[in-house]
Amino acid sequence: AQSVTQLGSHVSVSEGALATPRCNYSSSVPPYLFWYVQYPNQGLQLLLKYTTGATLVKGINGFEAEFKKSETSFHLTKPSAHMSDAAEYFCAVSWAQGGKLIFGQGTELSVKP
Amino acid sequence: DTGVSQNPRHKITKRGQNVTFRCDPISEHNRLYWYRQTLGQGPEFLTYFQNEAQLEKSRLLSDRFSAERPKGSFSTLEIQRTEQGDSAMYLCASSLVGKNTEAFFGQGTRLTVV
Repeated sequence: AQSVTQLGSHVSVSEGALATPRCNYSSSVPPYLFWYVQYPNQGLQLLLKYTTGATLVKGINGFEAEFKKSETSFHLTKPSAHMSDAAEYFCAVSWAQGGKLIFGQGTELSVKP
Repeated sequence: DTGVSQNPRHKITKRGQNVTFRCDPISEHNRLYWYRQTLGQGPEFLTYFQNEAQLEKSRLLSDRFSAERPKGSFSTLEIQRTEQGDSAMYLCASSLVGKNTEAFFGQGTRLTVV
């Protein structure tokens, strides 16, 4: 079955440090790839997406992610984490445009002052 | 347009009761999706529509769950004879196939079955 794995359910970094929630997917066929952020009791907001083209994609709020086909990975990076980045981050994949999303279990990012 | 709207935001119901949730997608979006999210987990796909046609239902969706999108605009998700295990956040999303690939999510309806 197709699946998404987010290693590390919790990541804690100091303010200003690098934050890297990780994401791997299980398929030899490159999917559409997404990162969403969720604040408590809220819906999901799209941070960034990869469809085709350049493998390094930039999103909102200074986040970026790199698609590595050989590693079936799409790790998220925030070079300098801010307190306001504390939230739950979900990696998701779809194997068709507009198709259903398969989500990872999420990574809770904590940012210490 | 203010985005995907879900009502109610919170619902507390007694076990065995029926509940219905409503989702209003972004107006020009032709696809509408329902997901369920339990505490500490990622959202799980339940079903989706293209216009008024229900194209796919998850095997997770028991016979007690039914979804409709009668005129290809808003959608309802009904749960009959609720069980405590139905307690979750129910998320709706919409997208415009052919225009973009991402789904836009509503704020969800949190269901508590007591």
